[in-house]
Parts: sequence; structure tokens; C-alpha cells
Amino acid sequence: AQSVTQLDSHVSVSEGTPVLLRCNYSSSYSPSLFWYVQHPNKGLQLLLKYTSAATLVKGINGFEAEFKKSETSFHLTKPSAHMSDAAEYFCVVSRSYNTDKLIFGTGTRLQVFP
Amino acid sequence: NAGVTQTPKFRILKIGQSMTLQCTQDMNHNYMYWYRQDPGMGLKLIYYSVGAGITDKGEVPNGYNVSRSTTEDFPLRLELAAPSQTSVYFCASSPLVGAWFFGPGTRLTVL
Repeated sequence: AQSVTQLDSHVSVSEGTPVLLRCNYSSSYSPSLFWYVQHPNKGLQLLLKYTSAATLVKGINGFEAEFKKSETSFHLTKPSAHMSDAAEYFCVVSRSYNTDKLIFGTGTRLQVFP
Repeated sequence: NAGVTQTPKFRILKIGQSMTLQCTQDMNHNYMYWYRQDPGMGLKLIYYSVGAGITDKGEVPNGYNVSRSTTEDFPLRLELAAPSQTSVYFCASSPLVGAWFFGPGTRLTVL
């Protein structure tokens, strides 16, 4: 069975400061992991994905995430937040190398203050 | 490529009415999915399809039906709308291996 837990429902940062959104996963298989972003009243956009290649994954808009098997974590980071980063972020897991169903976390709402 | 398109964008239904949410993708993906997103929650899988003519239930299929007569189209049918089906519905597609592509969503309210 697979599951994903986003440890914070809300994160608030000031513009220009680092962002950390935390995600832990559970998987019986070698997982694929994703981060998606959803801006208000918009669809979901893929930020980055891990599929058992490099453990440090770089995505769009300056985001990156590190796959840590020993900690079963896949935290999302960005060195410097921008106002446009304010959105809902979803950590997602699926079975690796198999188009299986996606399991979504409950989301983290990121607020960025000027 | 238009990607994944969904219609309508918004809809209000009365209890007991029926409707079909349309989803089309032009990327020749075999896999297509329907999810619903309730306020403050992640997405939950309703139905999915691994190819034309093949569909299967997801986590929350009750009250919905799907069909997949072509690779491109994957409509979701609500037969007897209930207030519990008030949600935002997302269609997605994916290639055999890779990332999922989501449509812009349909916001449905059942009163």
C-alpha cells in the first residue's frame, strides 16, 4: 500500500526567505514521487518528479526536492520565495515504472508575505 | 497541442438531475483518470482507464459512471446528482510511463 503525508497544512514565509514544504511517504514498492502546484481556481501543474534516478530533483520556478529513502521523505524547497509562489502544493506518490494510480497528500497552502 | 480539456468549467445541478462531464486529450495517452477535489483535501480517484474500452473503479466510484470508446475521450456521468457530489472534478491523462497531465477542472455544485 502507498500513502503520503504532508506534515504542514499551512506554511507562511516572507518574500525572499527560504521555503520548506515537508512530505513523508509510505510505499511497498519503489515509488515515483511528484510535487504539483495548484494556483487559485486553476488546474494542477507539475513542479518536479522523482523516478529513481538522481535523488536531488530540480523542477520549475527554482524549486527542488530531495528523495531520502532512509527518512522516507521528499521535501520541497526553494531558496528564495516569490509572491507568485503563493499556492497549494501537493505531494503525490505512485508506483515506479508503472502507470498506476496517483495517491495525493492533503496539500500545503503556502502564503508569501511582502 | 491543447493538452487535456474539460467542459463545462462550471455547473449548478439540482438534486436528482444528471449530467456528463467531458474530458478530451490530444496527446495520445493510453491512461486517463477522473479525480474529485473537496475543499481542503487532496484529489481522490473516481475512475480510471488504461485504454479504449477498459475502465476501472478508483477510490470513490459510487454515484458515477464512465466510458472510454476512444483514446481521446473519457466522459464522466452523474446519474442522480446529490449534494455530496459538490466538488471540483479534474480529468488527467498520462503516457505509459511518466507524469500526469491535468485538465483545468470543472466546478460542480449540487443544490
